[in-house]
Amino acid sequence: EVQLLESGGGLVQPGGSLRLSCATSGFTFNNYAMNWVRQAPGKGLEWVSGITGSGGTTYYADSVRGRFTISRDNSKNMLYLQMNSLRAEDTALYYCAKDSGSGRGWHPWGQGTLVTVSS
Amino acid sequence: EIVLTQSPGTLSLSPGERATLSCRASQTVSGNYLAWYQQKPGQAPRLLIYGASSRATGIPDRFSGSGSGTDFTLTISRLEPEDFAVYYCQQYGTSPFTFGPGTKVDIK
Repeated sequence: EVQLLESGGGLVQPGGSLRLSCATSGFTFNNYAMNWVRQAPGKGLEWVSGITGSGGTTYYADSVRGRFTISRDNSKNMLYLQMNSLRAEDTALYYCAKDSGSGRGWHPWGQGTLVTVSS
Repeated sequence: EIVLTQSPGTLSLSPGERATLSCRASQTVSGNYLAWYQQKPGQAPRLLIYGASSRATGIPDRFSGSGSGTDFTLTISRLEPEDFAVYYCQQYGTSPFTFGPGTKVDIK
């Protein structure tokens, strides 16, 4: 069974940093692109960042480019999101999601980790 | 950036009725890489449809997707009690990958 488990969320002051992790199991991790998606409280879904299976190519939403860095450790089956210069508007539940490949959508998603940016 | 618009914002229906949800893209979705997700309160999104019209594994056949180019539709043929939720469309063909604002299907 494919499982994704996010961690690393918490309360951080504006301008601070956090590193999110997504532990994966049940599939050959380096064969699949991965993504981070966030959801502000009571709001819709916003794609944040994506990375190819090899880690060689990364993608970012304009709202986070230059502040967030996505990475992966294929030896540990782990996905990361380094978040710097955090703003109040980054407050959200952050999900990791597995790209099923070959255009088959993103499945599954983890349960999310909550990031709150507030003084 | 491809902007996705979903309509209606809220759909109030009764169990057993048919639900028709629309998703319109501001430009052609590459490869028809258009997905639909269902989200219930306190849960992560669940993939229903990918490639505009292919059902994901384990998804009941009352869910169907159609459309191409810029206009897409999710149809739930007969609403079950567990189908009342928020539905998002997403294009994943062109970065930045974008989601629509969602359609809430609630009980009339």
